[in-house]
Amino acid sequence: GAVVSQHPSRVICKSGTSVKIECRSLDFQATTMFWYRQFPKQSLMLMATSNEGSKATYEQGVEKDKFLINHASLTLSTLTVTSAHPEDSSFYICSARTFNRGLNEQYFGPGTRLTVT
Amino acid sequence: QKEVEQDPGPLSVPEGAIVSLNCTYSNSAFQYFMWYRQYSRKGPELLMYTYSSGNKEDGRFTAQVDKSSKYISLFIRDSQPSDSATYLCAIQTGANNLFFGTGTRLTVIP
Repeated sequence: GAVVSQHPSRVICKSGTSVKIECRSLDFQATTMFWYRQFPKQSLMLMATSNEGSKATYEQGVEKDKFLINHASLTLSTLTVTSAHPEDSSFYICSARTFNRGLNEQYFGPGTRLTVT
Repeated sequence: QKEVEQDPGPLSVPEGAIVSLNCTYSNSAFQYFMWYRQYSRKGPELLMYTYSSGNKEDGRFTAQVDKSSKYISLFIRDSQPSDSATYLCAIQTGANNLFFGTGTRLTVIP
């Protein structure tokens, strides 16, 4: 099956610093990549959608200057949390979509747990 | 009204029981129906998908879609402790994004 990797899996940073999270589709080219956020015991919340080579589309309420998304290639997207604060602590999950057998299939990375102290 | 509604549970069953997980949706234009399984502190993994009314079976798992009632179900037969996870239904229309349910936390007790 399709594999999506994320790095790092866990990061702790100090308030005010920036953190970059990488998302890669390992064995397929992703037409679109997504970034989600998940708080404990809650469902996935879509933050933004990005297509390779174009600007990301952010969901309402998500600050694009705080959560910078770069989709450099069909296999790599990065999320940078700028000037992180404790309220940004969360589980961030990326997802990559590919068109396969007439369907848009979406595969998720293992997630990155961010803790801001 | 949310696009997808799912009972968050939690749901606890003894090992070997049949588990029934359900979602309802509001938009009749939805075409594709998926179930994801998410273990604690992991990303969701695609378990099953279907695009038509009826049943689709894969081992101990059966996905059922009733488009007339806008109702989808996932059945797990002979449930195992390793099935303990959060199960999320997801629904989409064509090329659009997925709409996720809130997820149901399942615990299978040995």
